[in-house]
Amino acid sequence: EVQVVESGGGLVQPGGSLRLSCTVSGFTFSNYWMSWVRQAPGKGLEWVAHIKGDGSEKRYADSVKGRFTISRDNAKNSLYMQMNSLRGEDTSVYYCLRDYGGIWGQGTQVTVSS
Amino acid sequence: QAVVTQEPSLTVSPGGTVTLTCGSSAGPVTSDLWPYWYQQKPGQAPRTLIFDTTNKHSWTPARFSGSLLGGKAALTLSGAQPEDEADYYCMLYGGPRVFGGGTKLTVL
Repeated sequence: EVQVVESGGGLVQPGGSLRLSCTVSGFTFSNYWMSWVRQAPGKGLEWVAHIKGDGSEKRYADSVKGRFTISRDNAKNSLYMQMNSLRGEDTSVYYCLRDYGGIWGQGTQVTVSS
Repeated sequence: QAVVTQEPSLTVSPGGTVTLTCGSSAGPVTSDLWPYWYQQKPGQAPRTLIFDTTNKHSWTPARFSGSLLGGKAALTLSGAQPEDEADYYCMLYGGPRVFGGGTKLTVL
């Protein structure tokens, strides 16, 4: 069974950092581009970043460029998002997404507040 | 970066047919942009209904279909059910990933 499971969300103060993780199973992780997508309360979906299967290409939304870093460890079937200099507008549910075929995780909540 | 446009809201009667569309400010949507369609119900994660323009997952109800229509990607629902009431998002995969703003579909 194909599964995507996020973890690492929580409450963080403005200016703080957080690292999200996503662990997958049921498919050959290294073959696929993977994305992070977020959704602010009451808002639509926003693509945040993605990374190629071998990690050689990464792209970011302008809203997070320079603050967020996407990475992966294919040996651990895991995707990561290091989030620095967090702002209130980063408050969202963050989803891990296998690009091809669109396989979604259940999401992890990130709240940036003092 | 292209802006992806969707109808903000649509209403369909139970058993009726409705078509949601997905356009791009960069020009006509073609199969080279590999349009995807996602469904999201309140309090739930999105799930993918259609990928690469027309392909369905095993969990995609047969009443949903994807196509290209008049320079846009289209999601057609034939025989709407109450459980189809949800938000629907498209995404165009060619180049930078951009979601449409979503369509709130009401079955009434």
